[in-house]
Amino acid sequence: SQQGEEDPQALSIQEGENATMNCSYKTSINNLQWYRQNSGRGLVHLILIRSNEREKHSGRLRVTLDTSKKSSSLLITASRAADTASYFCATEGELTFGKGTLLTVNP
Amino acid sequence: DSGVTQTPKHLITATGQRVTLRCSPRSGDLSVYWYQQSLDQGLQFLIQYYNGEERAKGNILERFSAQQFPDLHSELNLSSLELGDSALYFCASSAFGGLAGGSGELFFGEGSRLTVL
Repeated sequence: SQQGEEDPQALSIQEGENATMNCSYKTSINNLQWYRQNSGRGLVHLILIRSNEREKHSGRLRVTLDTSKKSSSLLITASRAADTASYFCATEGELTFGKGTLLTVNP
Repeated sequence: DSGVTQTPKHLITATGQRVTLRCSPRSGDLSVYWYQQSLDQGLQFLIQYYNGEERAKGNILERFSAQQFPDLHSELNLSSLELGDSALYFCASSAFGGLAGGSGELFFGEGSRLTVL
C-alpha cells in the first residue's frame, strides 16, 4: 500500500496565522488527496492534486506536490478557530492514511 | 451530509461477542472502504469492495470479515471481540476503485463507535 505520512503530528497557532503541514509518501503516485477530520467525525475531502500538477488552490487552501521528493504540503492561510481539526493526506489505491496532523487554532 | 450512512452509531458489547456494522454507500458509488480508527493506531485501512467483489485488503484481522451485497450496502463483521477492538469504524464510498484503477474523492460516514468491555 502507498501510505502518506503527515508532519508535524501537532501544530498550534493563533487565529489569523498561516498553517503548513506536510505529507511524505513512498512510491510513485497519480494523485494525492488531503482530508480534514473534526474530532470524532468522519473525514471530509478537501482537495485532490494530480501528479502532473505542482500547485492547486481552493479558497484558503493551497496544496503543493513535489513528485521528485515524494512530498506534498497543505497551507491554510488566515486560519480560523473553526479550522481546528486533524488533517490527513492519502495516496491512491486503497487510500491509506497517515496518523494526521492535529491543528489547533487558538482564538 | 456525505450521503454515507453507518449504523449503529454507538455499540457497547463484551469481550468474546460478535457485532455487525452496516454501511450504505452514497447513491451510485460502487466502492466501499472500511477503516478502523483508534488513538494509538491512527486510521487503519481494513478492506475495500467494488461492486460486490473484494478489491483490496489492508490490516484486517482474521476475526473480522466483510461483504458487499448486490444492493451495494456493506457489512463489517467483528467476532471474538477483544478490548483492543474498541475503536471508531468508518465506512467510505467512492465512484472509483474498480479494476481500471484510479482513485477519487472518498465520502465518509460518521462512523460506528465500538466499545468492548
